[in-house]
Amino acid sequence: NAGVMQNPRHLVRRRGQEARLRCSPMKGHSHVYWYRQLPEEGLKFMVYLQKENIIDESGMPKERFSAEFPKEGPSILRIQQVVRGDSAAYFCASSPLLGDNEQFFGPGTRLTVL
Amino acid sequence: QQQVKQSPQSLIVQKGGIPIINCAYENTAFDYFPWYQQFPGKGPALLIAIRPDVSEKKEGRFTISFNKSAKQFSLHIMDSQPGDSATYFCAASVTGGFKTIFGAGTRLFVKA
Repeated sequence: NAGVMQNPRHLVRRRGQEARLRCSPMKGHSHVYWYRQLPEEGLKFMVYLQKENIIDESGMPKERFSAEFPKEGPSILRIQQVVRGDSAAYFCASSPLLGDNEQFFGPGTRLTVL
Repeated sequence: QQQVKQSPQSLIVQKGGIPIINCAYENTAFDYFPWYQQFPGKGPALLIAIRPDVSEKKEGRFTISFNKSAKQFSLHIMDSQPGDSATYFCAASVTGGFKTIFGAGTRLFVKA
């Protein structure tokens, strides 16, 4: 049973470009969470999604950031017009049940904005 | 109210020592307190978790102590090994809720 998969593992973008980060949850998991980790800091919640639904996006910036989890395919975190401050590690986690405390994390995507 | 405060920021111990990492919270609605271990370049991995109905939980060399009245919990690593060198995060969440709130992390280095 493969774990949570994220790709790409590393992504370099120039200011103003778009970044697309993908997350495939563990088999059987239909709940996905996205977190951002700045260097030397803890993880900050961004958004929680079920298939085709955004449940809680209270941690996601209102501008330039969006997330989706379609019926088929991976969850995608999209950052438009990236700025240097978006440079961080973005982690995805999945859980099998609604509101399940236990989350399983992927290896992360490290975004660098030049 | 949503914060989880973690200390110390970093910790160096000798092999065989018992590092202790502390966390404190404010929100009394939290009812699940996990600890995650993260190695460089990897995602966090669940190490051990506790609920407020018990004061201590042990799994192998890892022990969580929980003080509900003080709203504090801590991680103890018995007989620490160089392979335990990692960043440790405490966290808190509400069962049925959606957010897990993480502490800022403790970088542990165990000297051989």
